[in-house]
Amino acid sequence: DAGITQSPRHKVTETGTPVTLRCHQTENHRYMYWYRQDPGHGLRLIHYSYGVKDTDKGEVSDGYSVSRSKTEDFLLTLESATSSQTSVYFCAISGVRGQQYFGPGTRLTVT
Amino acid sequence: DQQVKQNSPSLSVQEGRISILNCDYTNSMFDYFLWYKKYPAEGPTFLISISSIKDKNEDGRFTVFLNKSAKHLSLHIVPSQPGDSAVYFCAASVLRDSNYQLIWGAGTKLIIKP
Repeated sequence: DAGITQSPRHKVTETGTPVTLRCHQTENHRYMYWYRQDPGHGLRLIHYSYGVKDTDKGEVSDGYSVSRSKTEDFLLTLESATSSQTSVYFCAISGVRGQQYFGPGTRLTVT
Repeated sequence: DQQVKQNSPSLSVQEGRISILNCDYTNSMFDYFLWYKKYPAEGPTFLISISSIKDKNEDGRFTVFLNKSAKHLSLHIVPSQPGDSAVYFCAASVLRDSNYQLIWGAGTKLIIKP
C-alpha cells in the first residue's frame, strides 16, 4: 500500500465556514492530486501539485485553494464552504505509466 | 464533454461467470488506459492498465481489451467472484507538462450474485 493518509475522514460543517483537508504521504512523491467524487461524475481533478510550493488548477478548482509547504503534505482549503461542495474528497500520488495511488478519502458534508 | 464514458451504471453477474465492463473514449491522444476498483469507504485501487499501442493485457483473472478504431475498451473478469463486487472506474491518462493526468469515467457498479 502506498503510504497516503487523509484527515479528517469525516467532516460536517456549516455553509460559509472555512474547511481544510489534509493529505500526508510517506513515499516522497513529487506529484500529488486532489479529486472530488460525486455520483454520476467519477473523479474530477480539483488541484494538483508538482513540487513544494508548485501547484496548478484542475477541472473543478473554483472555490478551492491548495498549499504544499512540504513534500509530504498537500492541503485543500474551502475558503467558504457551500452545499455544492458536499462530496467525497480523495488525495492521490503519482506512480508509473499514469497510475495513481489514492488515500482513503474524506467525506465532507456542508449543511 | 465527457471524454471517457461508462454507459452502464450497474451490472449484475452470477458467481463463476464472466463479467464484462465497457468504456468508450473520444480522445485519440490518450497514452494509457487504466481500470480501478473501489470498495465503499475506501480509495480507488489500481487494477490493470493497457498502453494505447497494445490490444490486450492480461493479469490473472483480469483482461483488458483495447479497440482503437472503435475507441472502446473492456475489462473481462473470469471467473467472477463475490469479492469482485465493487465499483469499477475506467480512466485514461494524457501527458501534460511532464505529468500524466487521468480522465475518469463515471464508474460501473458490479454486483456478483452467489
